[in-house]
Amino acid sequence: DIVMTQTPLSLSVTPGQPASISCKSSQSLLHSDGKTYLYWYLQKPGQPPQLLIYEVSNRFSGVPDRFSGSGSGTDFTLKISRVEAEDVGVYYCMQSIQLPWTFGQGTKVEIK
Amino acid sequence: EVQLVESGGGLVQPGGSLKLSCAASGFTFSGSAMHWVRQASGKGLEWVGRIRSKANSYATAYAASVKGRFTISRDDSKNTAYLQMNSLKTEDTAVYYCTRHKTDYWGQGTLVTVSS
Repeated sequence: DIVMTQTPLSLSVTPGQPASISCKSSQSLLHSDGKTYLYWYLQKPGQPPQLLIYEVSNRFSGVPDRFSGSGSGTDFTLKISRVEAEDVGVYYCMQSIQLPWTFGQGTKVEIK
Repeated sequence: EVQLVESGGGLVQPGGSLKLSCAASGFTFSGSAMHWVRQASGKGLEWVGRIRSKANSYATAYAASVKGRFTISRDDSKNTAYLQMNSLKTEDTAVYYCTRHKTDYWGQGTLVTVSS
């Protein structure tokens, strides 16, 4: 199975300040079709995960542009340019290049 | 509007069975693979399994932790996917979510508690 490792596991951010989460995979997520199957989700308390970023860097519909994804191969990053109070929750990366899909451990983001 | 609604969760004794449903609307259900993902209380997300579309022979795949005990099926005429869970263990206690293959929409989840 592909292991997804997120760092840090928790983050306390002042509103308006940037935040960054790293996700590393144990194998390349680059498929022969040219796509890289790395996704980012935010799970707010008591809610299901919500898709933020698909295929490394594509924002899902309605996701604010303060969220951005980057990376390639096995190293990926989610950045929030200016954290807002509504961004609190747990962020997960996930790979879907290979079954079983696997998730990172999650990064809990809180507001200072 | 895409909607996924899970149902069927509840309290069951170890060794028992439960069948979850995931009712879909707002998209072409028959053309989409469907996945189940679970989350134990306070824990992370765990992929459970998936079923592909008729065009892909309704192929199923499962996590090692549930293989041989859980079965995913679908009824395209009802726009519904199912998760049949047998030989349940206490460690299967979790909220179970369904999502379509794109993972752009998720249901609210249904809680399964396995306890004596």
